[in-house]
Amino acid sequence: QKEVEQDPGPLSVPEGAIVSLNCTYSNSAFQYFMWYRQYSRKGPELLMYTYSSGNKEDGRFTAQVDKSSKYISLFIRDSQPSDSATYLCAMSTYNFNKFYFGSGTKLNVKP
Amino acid sequence: GAGVSQSPSNKVTEKGKDVELRCDPISGHTALYWYRQSLGQGLEFLIYFQGNSAPDKSGLPSDRFSAERTGGSVSTLTIQRTQQEDSAVYLCASSPPDEDEQYFGPGTRLTVT
Repeated sequence: QKEVEQDPGPLSVPEGAIVSLNCTYSNSAFQYFMWYRQYSRKGPELLMYTYSSGNKEDGRFTAQVDKSSKYISLFIRDSQPSDSATYLCAMSTYNFNKFYFGSGTKLNVKP
Repeated sequence: GAGVSQSPSNKVTEKGKDVELRCDPISGHTALYWYRQSLGQGLEFLIYFQGNSAPDKSGLPSDRFSAERTGGSVSTLTIQRTQQEDSAVYLCASSPPDEDEQYFGPGTRLTVT
């Protein structure tokens, strides 16, 4: 079993839709949870970062963590064609010496 | 300012040859990570350097893989006797002291023929 599971998609939505991206994990020692966005042929860039259960909002993006269920989500409101990318979840234990990434969900927002 | 740079951006090599991939982290960043990303896969952790401490090599897939970091800055990932399954994008990331965010480079796309 992988440490982090993520549906690879692809996920195709119309412009303006609400997008929900999810990851599950098995290691209860994970303390820090991140979402990265990766455009084609580019390195990942950090979108959201949280270390507690609950919601964290930044503009159109909301990250949600449920440690009891070992489940994290990223919601994108009013999705735009420029949001089309691969979204990777990542997690780490307290010492940050190793990050575990999901396989990424490819999102396509159609104009 | 300048971000993480990696070279070469693309590398095609024959099976059995050795390759060296270079990473220039952001100046002042103490932590440096190497990852491998195969087609349709997530990032696979390879190795982690933190300051002058011994690196965490637990992710290296075989003894054909090695990495060095000279002077706490530039890092080189070396793959000896390359195999076709080594074909992937190799990503480098660095982090500043006391921060968790990783800043990724654009990657080196390695193709072993």
